[in-house]
This record gives sequence, structure tokens and C-alpha cells, in this order.
Amino acid sequence: QLHLQESGPGLVEPSETLSLTCTVSGGSISSRNYFWGWIRQPPGKGLQWIGSSSYSGNTHYNPSLKSRVTISVDTSKNQFSLKVTSVTAADTALYYCATIKVVTPASWGQGTLVIVAS
Amino acid sequence: QSVLTQPPSVSAAPGQKVTISCSGSTSNIGNNYVSWYQRHLPGTAPKLLIYDNNKRPSGIPDRFSGSKSGTSATLGITGLQTGDEADYYCGTWDSSLSAVVFGGGTKLTVL
Repeated sequence: QLHLQESGPGLVEPSETLSLTCTVSGGSISSRNYFWGWIRQPPGKGLQWIGSSSYSGNTHYNPSLKSRVTISVDTSKNQFSLKVTSVTAADTALYYCATIKVVTPASWGQGTLVIVAS
Repeated sequence: QSVLTQPPSVSAAPGQKVTISCSGSTSNIGNNYVSWYQRHLPGTAPKLLIYDNNKRPSGIPDRFSGSKSGTSATLGITGLQTGDEADYYCGTWDSSLSAVVFGGGTKLTVL
């Protein structure tokens, strides 16, 4: 059973870069069975898919965020990461990492709240 | 605001059955598989209940069921328990947006 845990700063200043890491346990991030993805939920709003990456770096991003988002996989650490550049208050959200099977988020982390404020 | 439309809340008594609807369009539900998620609290991990419209992952009881017709999908829960109180979300791929999209969520109250 895969377990995912998000980590990273809970507060990011406007215009800076948001960086989060997801640590995978209970299985290998080099599995060909999954993509590794990020999903967020702004306060009071619905879920928004950010994007995903295979273990080999094949990425797919939400077109609405593509210009500011990078997802990368570190097989040596069994982790994958999210970077969002030039953040604004609109990027304040609960951020989840998840395994993606085809296009279905399957196993999720518990989420981490990131607030964008000065 | 969400691409998929769900009722904000539903309620039913313990032991009863409830259904949660999810409405979309031909670019999403109409031509792609639907999944359903349960989340007890915002700070907890959402759990996959249904994938590929009507399949249950290992460990999900058969009290949970999914169906799809045209551009709408439905989650059914029978034999309601107090532990079923949670937020439920539908999700699917949107071919026009080239992104996974979700419903706004439905809060289930077991009275």
C-alpha cells in the first residue's frame, strides 16, 4: 500500500517560488504503473488538478498553470516535487500529492496548506 | 465554478440509501471514465471509492456503487453509517481542457 506525505514551507511570499516535496513509501517511485501528480484546493473552492510526471520525466500540466509549474521526480530519494513560480494570493491552497493511474488520482497524501502572504 | 456540477449537500438517516449526482458535458463525463472520492476532513487524505465509472478498489465495501449515463454520473451509498459523513467529489478527464476536472464536492450528513 503506497503512502504519500507532502512537505514544504507553509508560508510563501508573493512573487516567490512555491516548492513542495512528496515522499513515497511502501513502493518504488520508478514504477511504470503510475504517474505522480499534484492537486490543490483553494479555500472555499473545488479541487484543481495541477499536473503529473512519470518516473522518467514525461510530464503533463494543466494548461491554465503550465507556464508557472514544474513537476520533477527524484528516483534516488523516492520523492517527487512541485514548483510554482511567481505566486500570488490565488495560489493559496491545500496542496495534495497523489499517484495517478492513467488519469485517475488513486492514492493521495493528507495535504499541506500553503499560504501566500507577505 | 467547478467544471463538474454536484449538489452542495445531501442527507439521509442511518441505514438508508443516498445518491450523489455529478453533471458534466460531452468533453468530460460523456466520453471519459468517472471516479469518486471520499474525504472526511480537509486535512485528511481523500480516498478513491470508485474508478472507471463503477469499479471499486480493493477494500472498498460494496455499499458504494457508481454509474454513468450520458453526461451524468451517480454515486450510490447504501446502509448509511455515521462514518460515511464526509465530503464526496467526482472527477474525470476533460478532453477540451486537457486536464483532470472535479466537481465542487457534496457534503453528506447522516442524520
